[in-house]
This record gives sequence, C-alpha cells and structure tokens, in this order.
Amino acid sequence: AQSVTQLDSHVSVSEGTPVLLRCNYSSSYSPSLFWYVQHPNKGLQLLLKYTSAATLVKGINGFEAEFKKSETSFHLTKPSAHMSDAAEYFCVVSGVTGRRALTFGSGTRLQVQP
Amino acid sequence: EAGVAQSPRYKIIEKRQSVAFWCNPISGHATLYWYQQILGQGPKLLIQFQNNGVVDDSQLPKDRFSAERLKGVDSTLKIQPAKLEDSAVYLCASSPPGQPVLKETQYFGPGTRLLVL
Repeated sequence: AQSVTQLDSHVSVSEGTPVLLRCNYSSSYSPSLFWYVQHPNKGLQLLLKYTSAATLVKGINGFEAEFKKSETSFHLTKPSAHMSDAAEYFCVVSGVTGRRALTFGSGTRLQVQP
Repeated sequence: EAGVAQSPRYKIIEKRQSVAFWCNPISGHATLYWYQQILGQGPKLLIQFQNNGVVDDSQLPKDRFSAERLKGVDSTLKIQPAKLEDSAVYLCASSPPGQPVLKETQYFGPGTRLLVL
C-alpha cells in the first residue's frame, strides 16, 4: 500500500521570500510523484512530476521538487513567492499494485502576504 | 486546445433526490477519471475508464453511484439517491494515450460543486 502525507495544512509566506511545502510518502516500490496546484474555482493543474529520472525536478512557474528516497520525501520549493502563487497544493503518488489511480495528499494552502 | 469541460458547475439538491454530472474530456484522450473532493480533503478516485470500458471502480459506492462512457468520449456520473455526505466537488480528468503506465499526466476540469440539503 502507499500513502502520501503533507506535513502542513497551511503555510503563510511574504511575497519575495522562499516557499517550502513538505511532502512525505510511503511506498513499497519506486513511486511516481506529482505536485498539483488548485486555484479557487479552477481545475487542478500539474506543477511537476518525478518519474525515476533526475531526482531534482523543475516545474512550471519557478517551482521545483527534490525526490529523496532515503528520507521518503518530495518537498516543493520556490525561491521567491509571488502573490499569484496563493492556492492549494497537493502532493500526489500514483500506482498501487498496478492501479493507475492517483492518491492525493490532504493539501497545503499557501497564503502569500504582500 | 480546449480543456476538460464539465457541467453543471454548481448544483443544489435535497437528500434522496437524484443528480447527474457530465464531462467531456480533451479530444483524443482515451482515459477518463471521476474524482470526489470533499471540503478540506484531496480528491479521491471514484472510477476510471479506458475508452468505454471500466478500468477501476473499486472506490465507487455502487449502491447509489453509477457512471457510463458509452461512446468512449464524454461521460456521465449519476447519484441516486443522494445523501448529505455526497456534498463535494466532483472532478473529471482525462489523460492522453501513449504515456508510460503510472506516469500519466492527468488534465482536470473545473469540477461540479454539489450541495445536498
């Protein structure tokens, strides 16, 4: 079985400061990991995905995430927050005994203060 | 490229009534998914179609939920009868063919927000 845990339900940063959204996963095999973002009243959008190639994955809008197998983590970072980054972020893992379903974390709401 | 379309965007019904949601995936996308997102939680998969066949419906409450994708394009999700705990956002997603298994990018629609009173 597998699961994904987002360690913070809410993160608040000031505009221009770094962003760190934490995610840990548990999996009995090599997982595929994703970060999706959900803006209010909009659909979920893929930020980036890790699929067993490079451990440092670069995504859209300046976000990146590093897969650390030893720590079973896949934290999302951005050097400098922008007001438009305020949204809900989901860490996601795919595949359970061959199933292609995505398993979502509970989400982290990012607030960006001016 | 047009995105995943869903309708209606909002629906309010009373418990024990029935409701249906419609989804039109991105053109050419063979795989279609329905998710339920309860307030404050991440989306949970209800059912997955590959063309017009069901791949995974293990999380679908089949006593009240049903879904179909008769022609392998658009899909309908129905709830009958609805319960209070069905209040949620229902998300449809699709993914294109040819992606490696377990590594597909899914494209999500805006969702249908259901309130059951």
